[in-house]
This record gives sequence, structure tokens and C-alpha cells, in this order.
Amino acid sequence: AQKVTQAQTEISVVEKEDVTLDCVYETRDTTYYLFWYKQPPSGELVFLIRRNSFDEQNEISGRYSWNFQKSTSSFNFTITASQVVDSAVYFCALSGPGANSKLTFGKGITLSVRP
Amino acid sequence: DAGVTQSPTHLIKTRGQQVTLRCSPKSGHDTVSWYQQALGQGPQFIFQYYEEEERQRGNFPDRFSGHQFPNYSSELNVNALLLGDSALYLCASSFSRLGSGEQYFGPGTRLTVT
Repeated sequence: AQKVTQAQTEISVVEKEDVTLDCVYETRDTTYYLFWYKQPPSGELVFLIRRNSFDEQNEISGRYSWNFQKSTSSFNFTITASQVVDSAVYFCALSGPGANSKLTFGKGITLSVRP
Repeated sequence: DAGVTQSPTHLIKTRGQQVTLRCSPKSGHDTVSWYQQALGQGPQFIFQYYEEEERQRGNFPDRFSGHQFPNYSSELNVNALLLGDSALYLCASSFSRLGSGEQYFGPGTRLTVT
């Protein structure tokens, strides 16, 4: 069985602060994929990143960076110099090896960035 | 290039009624998955359709059923609605030949059962 845990439920920061969103996962698959999605108030899930289990290289995209550590089954997401537009609910998700494998989501983290 | 579209946007139904939600996948995608997102929770997988057949199913009762049409669009049907069925229903599409598991989501249908 797959499981994703996002222990933080709500985070509030002031604009320009850095913030890290934690994600811990459980799976018995040796091949799997990890995702982060952003859900603004409009409701649509916006894809941010996908990582496969064989690629532990950290990734940076603008103000966003991701730290994948297989040893601790974690896939953390850091926003540098946060902005008000970053306010949203962020979900970490896990899928198995198949092309059409279902996504298992965490409960999400509500990030509020105050001006 | 049109993304995933869903209709209707909002829906209000009464307990015991039946509802049909619709989804058109992103151009080039052949697989549609449905998710239920209760308030304050992460999306939960309902089922997935590929080649007009249900291929995977999550832990949802038989009141939840679906269909996929030859043009890859899909419907989600829920019978005998319960108050607990109130949620945001998300449709996601993907391409079966792409092994990455990446799914593109629509804006969702917000269902309220009174």
C-alpha cells in the first residue's frame, strides 16, 4: 500500500521568507514517481514537478527547489523568497511504476504568505 | 491546445438523487482518472478508464460508476447521493504510452448534496 504524509497542515510566512514543505512517503515499489501539485483557491491542481525513484538529484526551478532523499523517504519542497501569489494548498503525491498508475495524495499543506 | 475540461462547474443535488459529471481529456490523452476531494483533504482516487473500460478502482462503493466514450471523454455517475458525497470531483487525463504517470487535472466539479 502507498501512503503520503504531509505532517504540516498550515504554514504562515511573511513575504520574502523561505519556506519548506515536508513530504514523507511509503511504498513497496522499487520504481515509483513523486509529484508536487499546487491548488489555488480556484480548485484546479497545477502540476509543479515529477521525480522518479532513480533520480535523487535535487532540482531547482526559479524560486522552487526540491530535495529528494530516498534514505529517509522524503521529498521536500522549498520556496525561496516567498510571494503572496504562492499562497495555496500544496499536495505531495506518489504513483507506482505503471504508465497509468493512480496517484496517492497527502492531505495537503495550506501556505499563506502575508505581505 | 485545450487542457482538461469538466462540466458542470457547480452542482447542487438532493440526497437520493443521481448525478452525472463530465470530463474531456487533454488533446492526445487516452486515459481518464477520477478523484474525489472532500473539504480539507487530498484527492482520493475513484477509478480510471482506458480503452472504454474501467482499469483500476479505488475504495469507493458501486454507487460510483463511469463510462469512457470512443473520443476518450468520460462520465462519472453517482447514484443514491449521500450528504458525504459532497466534494470537489476532479478529472485527470494522461497518455498510456508515457510511463511517467503524469496526469493533468481539470478545474473540477463542486458537488453539494443537501
